[in-house]
Amino acid sequence: EAGVTQFPSHSVIEKGQTVTLRCDPISGHDNLYWYRRVMGKEIKFLLHFVKESKQDESGMPNNRFLAERTGGTYSTLKVQPAELEDSGVYFCASGVTDTQYFGPGTRLTVL
Amino acid sequence: AQSVTQLGSHVSVSEGALVLLRCNYSSSVPPYLFWYVQYPNQGLQLLLKYTSAATLVKGINGFEAEFKKSETSFHLTKPSAHMSDAAEYFCAVIGGNYGGSQGNLIFGKGTKLSVKP
Repeated sequence: EAGVTQFPSHSVIEKGQTVTLRCDPISGHDNLYWYRRVMGKEIKFLLHFVKESKQDESGMPNNRFLAERTGGTYSTLKVQPAELEDSGVYFCASGVTDTQYFGPGTRLTVL
Repeated sequence: AQSVTQLGSHVSVSEGALVLLRCNYSSSVPPYLFWYVQYPNQGLQLLLKYTSAATLVKGINGFEAEFKKSETSFHLTKPSAHMSDAAEYFCAVIGGNYGGSQGNLIFGKGTKLSVKP
């Protein structure tokens, strides 16, 4: 069974540019979560999809972040425009019950 | 609100020694507790979870954790450390606004484990 995949693995952009991160969950997993770890800090929740609906987006830092989940399958997280403080590792996770399975993460560097 | 505290950002043990990584939680409801491990340049891997069944939970790679309600703790242990155990370990609890067993995870700050030969 394929795990959670994320693309790209690394992204380096300049402040003010736009970046889109993609997450492909494990097939059949209705729950999809986004998390972020800023260097030196703990992993923080961003938002939770159930199928294509946003169940909880209380962790989204501001309106520069936009998440979508097309047809309840893969999800994208767009940052526009990117700021220096957006640098970090973005993790995606999926699950069906109480367990979340994580992808390898996307390391975003904003210069 | 739920929260997790991991004591010790860095722990160093000798190969073959006991590994003990500490985690205390705060929860207003019976908690769902997890330990995840992140090896260098990899994602988070589930080690074990507690979901109100047996208080002693066995996980992968010889790790186990004991849920102690009276101490609000969920410490991770392994009797004998291997070099391959060097990684960062995260304790987490399900919390958030959604609640239930499918809410978001709240993580501790992580503990980096070093294993000396």
